[in-house]
Amino acid sequence: DTGVSQDPRHKITKRGQNVTFRCDPISEHNRLYWYRQTLGQGPEFLTYFQNEAQLEKSRLLSDRFSAERPKGSFSTLEIQRTEQGDSAMYLCASSLIGQGGSPLHFGNGTRLTVT
Amino acid sequence: GESVGLHLPTLSVQEGDNSIINCAYSNSASDYFIWYKQESGKGPQFIIDIRSNMDKRQGQRVTVLLNKTVKHLSLQIAATQPGDSAVYFCAEKFGDSWGKLQFGAGTQVVVTP
Repeated sequence: DTGVSQDPRHKITKRGQNVTFRCDPISEHNRLYWYRQTLGQGPEFLTYFQNEAQLEKSRLLSDRFSAERPKGSFSTLEIQRTEQGDSAMYLCASSLIGQGGSPLHFGNGTRLTVT
Repeated sequence: GESVGLHLPTLSVQEGDNSIINCAYSNSASDYFIWYKQESGKGPQFIIDIRSNMDKRQGQRVTVLLNKTVKHLSLQIAATQPGDSAVYFCAEKFGDSWGKLQFGAGTQVVVTP
């Protein structure tokens, strides 16, 4: 399968702990996005990268959140000092910008539960 | 069956009938729109997209219509099948990036035999 891959699929953590999620985009895609989705709502944009450069961060992304894409391939999203309000599905997506282009393709997400 | 998005979040459709899912968008300057299907426990799956220089685009069993005058988008699914049961989201591009999308709240489609 050459789709967007996310790991882990589920994460349960206690409030105050740090968590890190990984995303492997579609291999030829140069843009990578992180979204958050709460139950019954549509996904909300958090941040995106073009290659290794983080180009934009939403105001939803507090300073407890940090995302990296060190080699322009996979990305990690870390949440420090988790709070119960961080419980959500974290979705990664990728696209190809340039000749031809492509729509945004999502992975199956990491469901975070903070107890 | 026909839905008006937030006002009718659940659309029940009989198998074999056509479905119409409606969506109102907010920004008259939006130039790109996209429909996703999301099944339980999975990420959104791309269905079809349309740019603002078009008013209709067809895919396999799906058609997207764009009415910029009233800022309305619809997704038509022909001959609805049980596998079409899911939540459907419309989204519009906001900002400079093609992947930075503003999603609607979604419509649950339930296909009955």
